[in-house]
Amino acid sequence: SQQGEEDPQALSIQEGENATMNCSYKTSINNLQWYRQNSGRGLVHLILIRSNEREKHSGRLRVTLDTSKKSSSLLITASRAADTASYFCATDALEIQGAQKLVFGQGTRLTINP
Amino acid sequence: EAGVVQSPRYKIIEKKQPVAFWCNPISGHNTLYWYLQNLGQGPELLIRYENEEAVDDSQLPKDRFSAERLKGVDSTLKIQPAELGDSAVYLCASSLTARADTQYFGPGTRLTVL
Repeated sequence: SQQGEEDPQALSIQEGENATMNCSYKTSINNLQWYRQNSGRGLVHLILIRSNEREKHSGRLRVTLDTSKKSSSLLITASRAADTASYFCATDALEIQGAQKLVFGQGTRLTINP
Repeated sequence: EAGVVQSPRYKIIEKKQPVAFWCNPISGHNTLYWYLQNLGQGPELLIRYENEEAVDDSQLPKDRFSAERLKGVDSTLKIQPAELGDSAVYLCASSLTARADTQYFGPGTRLTVL
C-alpha cells in the first residue's frame, strides 16, 4: 500500500516558471525523500529531509516538511525542459531492526513547456 | 561508478509462461530491493535482501513469485506462471546498507503479459 498522496497528479508549466508539488502522508516518519523518474528510466534520489528539519535546499530544489500536518512540498525554481519527469515522495518507516523501508507516493507528472 | 544494472529492459510473454529478471547492484552495496511499479503509480516493495538473506518478503506473492540472491551480489526475480495483471515495471535498487538513506535504482524491466 502507498502512504503518500501527491498533489497535483499532473502539472504543466512554462520554462522558467517555478513548480511546486505537495506530498501528504499518514504515519510518523524518520525522514522524507524526493525522487525523480524520467520516462522509461529508474528513479533518481533528489533530496532527503529529516523529521527534525523544516526546510532544505539543493541547487534549484527547495523542500519543506511540516510534521504536524504530515505534509511536504518540493519547489523547483527556474524550471527547465530537462525537469520534465515524474516526481515521487517517499517516506521511511523505521523498522525494529533499524532498516529503512521506503513507501512511495503515486507521483506528480511534471511537464515543462518550452 | 557503474549503476544498478537490470536485464532485460523489456519482456513480452504470453500468460502462463515463466519469466525471470536479473539485477546487478552497485559494487559494495549489501542491500538489494525489488520493487513493482504499476502504470501511473509509485514503486511498491516486493522483497529486500541484506547480503544473501531475504529479510523482508512480506509483499512478495509467494504462490507465483520467487527471488534469490546467490553469494549476496546478483539477484534474480522469477514469476511462474505469469498472469495478465503482472504487466508492470520491475525495478531493482541497492543501498550501501539497510540503514543507508539513499537507494539507487536501476532502469527497470518492463513486462507485458499478453
